[in-house]
Amino acid sequence: EVQLVESGGGLVKPGGSLRLSCAASESTFSTFTMNWVRQAPGKGLEWVSSISRSSNYIYYADSVKGRFTISRDNAKNSLFLQMNSLRAEDTAVYYCARGEGYCRGGSCYSYPPQFDPWGQGTLVTVSS
Amino acid sequence: QSVLTQPPSVSGAPGQRVTISCTGSSSNIGAAYDVHWYQQLPGTAPKLLISGSSNRPSGVPDRFSGSKSGTSASLAITGLQAEDEAHYYCQSYDNSLSGSVVFGGGTKLTVL
Repeated sequence: EVQLVESGGGLVKPGGSLRLSCAASESTFSTFTMNWVRQAPGKGLEWVSSISRSSNYIYYADSVKGRFTISRDNAKNSLFLQMNSLRAEDTAVYYCARGEGYCRGGSCYSYPPQFDPWGQGTLVTVSS
Repeated sequence: QSVLTQPPSVSGAPGQRVTISCTGSSSNIGAAYDVHWYQQLPGTAPKLLISGSSNRPSGVPDRFSGSKSGTSASLAITGLQAEDEAHYYCQSYDNSLSGSVVFGGGTKLTVL
């Protein structure tokens, strides 16, 4: 099964920028829709962004729209999240996860996508 | 405030059965979107537990089961074991929000 490894997290000041990466272990990466999901310390999961296989369809949560940019490089089996104008409330562990359709009772569905697998996460701390 | 509502915590003794609810609305679960469930053990990434409201991915014990009705979904765990102590999250899709996958706030299961 594909394995995902995030990197790029760290400490950044409010207003600063950071670029996260997610490396996939297989070239089948190019066939996946990919997502970023974050988890603030002691809090629940929040979907951040998704990007389709060929980058044709990109979506963002309202909380990051206009500040974050998701992208991918299928030749390098990599997913990215460019985070600008960072705020304290962006502090979280950021996970990348494959988001795919699923089948039930003989029928298959695209929504809601199921997230599997997940990377181990990378911590982003926004603080002065 | 999460779009999907879960109880913050549930508990049960080893061997018992517990259920975790996930309540949505007419724009998500009530709009016939399925619910996926995830288990997050302490210090680890979430793991897909139930797919499409009621299907168990390969490797998930049959002690875990899911169901959906109306605007709600439920995760049931029977024969509770100490290693089941974790956070559990439901996830669906909301057609009133742009591109929006939605999660429940999570439920901490404590095995007494």
